[in-house]
Amino acid sequence: IAGITQAPTSQILAAGRRMTLRCTQDMRHNAMYWYRQDLGLGLRLIHYSNTAGTTGKGEVPDGYSVSRANTDDFPLTLASAVPSQTSVYFCASSDQLAGYNEQFFGPGTRLTVL
Amino acid sequence: RKEVEQDPGPFNVPEGATVAFNCTYSNSASQSFFWYRQDCRKEPKLLMSVYSSGNEDGRFTAQLNRASQYISLLIRDSKLSDSATYLCVPRPDTGRRALTFGSGTRLQVQP
Repeated sequence: IAGITQAPTSQILAAGRRMTLRCTQDMRHNAMYWYRQDLGLGLRLIHYSNTAGTTGKGEVPDGYSVSRANTDDFPLTLASAVPSQTSVYFCASSDQLAGYNEQFFGPGTRLTVL
Repeated sequence: RKEVEQDPGPFNVPEGATVAFNCTYSNSASQSFFWYRQDCRKEPKLLMSVYSSGNEDGRFTAQLNRASQYISLLIRDSKLSDSATYLCVPRPDTGRRALTFGSGTRLQVQP
């Protein structure tokens, strides 16, 4: 692995189903983030984690949960999907401890909730 | 007020043209910025960081005007492959904050 990977690449999901989007990075970055991007709009922060074992809420956290059991993985879970959660989901990471703040993004997961 | 404001465009320019777009920011304490580019429905990728008055990388030049609180991106000799959305992103003033992305400026370079 080089960088950030996300899985699945795309998914069609029935409303009410539970879904976990996976994100893994191999850069040993301390911070990780989940964004959603709706058509024609900017990225909106869902949840973030500044270090393993801690998480925080972003701009649009409702309906989503995250965990950060280790440095590399940051899964995003939709407990009961709704059509308004149809979006492209991007995971990102950054080396905040080094003070750079640049975020590196995964290729995204395209989720459609019917 | 939004943290950054960008003209959404699209800016339609012919190949070889020079194009510039501005980004105004509201937080006078912002010291540095990132320019990201995002191709249609793909992940944003860092184009350049702007830590002081400006930065130049090949055909791309970014300038920061603190007095007027704007940052500009100049692209010389535009290529078809430059077609993308360009996102101006303030670097957080603390080490533990996520970046805030606007919707960016769309550039379309035409043959």
